[in-house]
Amino acid sequence: QKEVEQDPGPLSVPEGAIVSLNCTYSNSAFQYFMWYRQYSRKGPELLMYTYSSGNKEDGRFTAQVDKSSKYISLFIRDSQPSDSATYLCAMIRLYGAGGTSYGKLTFGQGTILTVHP
Amino acid sequence: NAGVTQTPKFQVLKTGQSMTLQCAQDMNHNSMYWYRQDPGMGLRLIYYSASEGTTDKGEVPNGYNVSRLNKREFSLRLESAAPSQTSVYFCASGGSYYNEQFFGPGTRLTVL
Repeated sequence: QKEVEQDPGPLSVPEGAIVSLNCTYSNSAFQYFMWYRQYSRKGPELLMYTYSSGNKEDGRFTAQVDKSSKYISLFIRDSQPSDSATYLCAMIRLYGAGGTSYGKLTFGQGTILTVHP
Repeated sequence: NAGVTQTPKFQVLKTGQSMTLQCAQDMNHNSMYWYRQDPGMGLRLIYYSASEGTTDKGEVPNGYNVSRLNKREFSLRLESAAPSQTSVYFCASGGSYYNEQFFGPGTRLTVL
């Protein structure tokens, strides 16, 4: 069983729709939760990160974490064609301390989203 | 502020050739990382460097070596390229708060 499972999609929605992207995880040691957006032939771009259960909002994006259920979601309101991309959930476990700390990211497989006009 | 930069953007090698992928960051981050991304396999960690002067293996280190040249630069070397190393390679650096990682634009490598 993979440590992080992401709804594979693909998703195709009309412009203006609300999009829900979801991941589950099995490792309780994950400390922080992130969402990346990756456009075709580009590097992953960090969208949001959070560490506690609950919601975090940034413009049209809301990240939701439920640690008791080991479940995270990303909601996109009023979706736009420019939101068309692959969305990757990622979970990080930190090691070390201070200037020698580092994080090991575990990614979901990604969900391809297409928003059509 | 360029963030994370990578060179080259594209490369074609023949089996057995060697090459070095370059990565630099201007965000004054301590940790840096190399990943490869393959269809169906997602992003996998090759090597990481927690700080200048230290490096360590990730999930898929075989066939690769790294050098943390200074705080800004972290290079990945393929000593004898194999077709299985055909992939897109991403470098990332770890931020100051939660080691949130910022990625470069990637290098597309094909090994014939």
